[in-house]
Amino acid sequence: GAVVSQHPSRVICKSGTSVKIECRSLDFQATTMFWYRQFPKQSLMLMATSNEGSKATYEQGVEKDKFLINHASLTLSTLTVTSAHPEDSSFYICSARDTGGGIETQYFGPGTRLLVL
Amino acid sequence: QKEVEQDPGPLSVPEGAIVSLNCTYSNSAFQYFMWYRQYSRKGPELLMYTYSSGNKEDGRFTAQVDKSSKYISLFIRDSQPSDSATYLCAMMANDYKLSFGAGTTVTVRA
Repeated sequence: GAVVSQHPSRVICKSGTSVKIECRSLDFQATTMFWYRQFPKQSLMLMATSNEGSKATYEQGVEKDKFLINHASLTLSTLTVTSAHPEDSSFYICSARDTGGGIETQYFGPGTRLLVL
Repeated sequence: QKEVEQDPGPLSVPEGAIVSLNCTYSNSAFQYFMWYRQYSRKGPELLMYTYSSGNKEDGRFTAQVDKSSKYISLFIRDSQPSDSATYLCAMMANDYKLSFGAGTTVTVRA
């Protein structure tokens, strides 16, 4: 299957700093990527939809000024957690929509674990 | 009522047994159906995807979709301890947003 990478895999930061997470589709182009967060023993919660060349669409209750998303190319989307606080500590996962070869599915990255002290 | 219902388990089976997982859904607009496997502290891994009612087989995995009953299943034959994970059903309509089940935790005992 297709490969999606995330960087970094783990990050620890101080409260008030900003953290950038990268999501890359390595062997296919993704016009659409999605960002999720996941709390322990819970399912994934969609935060936003990232479209290449346009503004991201945020789910209800997600602060767009807090979670900045940029989708600058067909293989890269970034999520920046601005002025991070301990309650932002979570597991952040991206997915990339693959429509090549007539299929319609999504592949997930390995996730980024964020700990805000 | 959630859009996608999945029994969270846990489900424990002996090595070599068939694992049977299923989900029901209420949204008739769902057109695409997927099963993901997630190990602890990892991102979900795509196992199977299908778009139509019927069966699809890939190695030890068989996915079934019954759109008339709004019911999907995943069967894992000859289960191995390495299959121990959380299995998520997911589906989407033409907005391409995934709706997930709660996930079923499976343990395969050696």
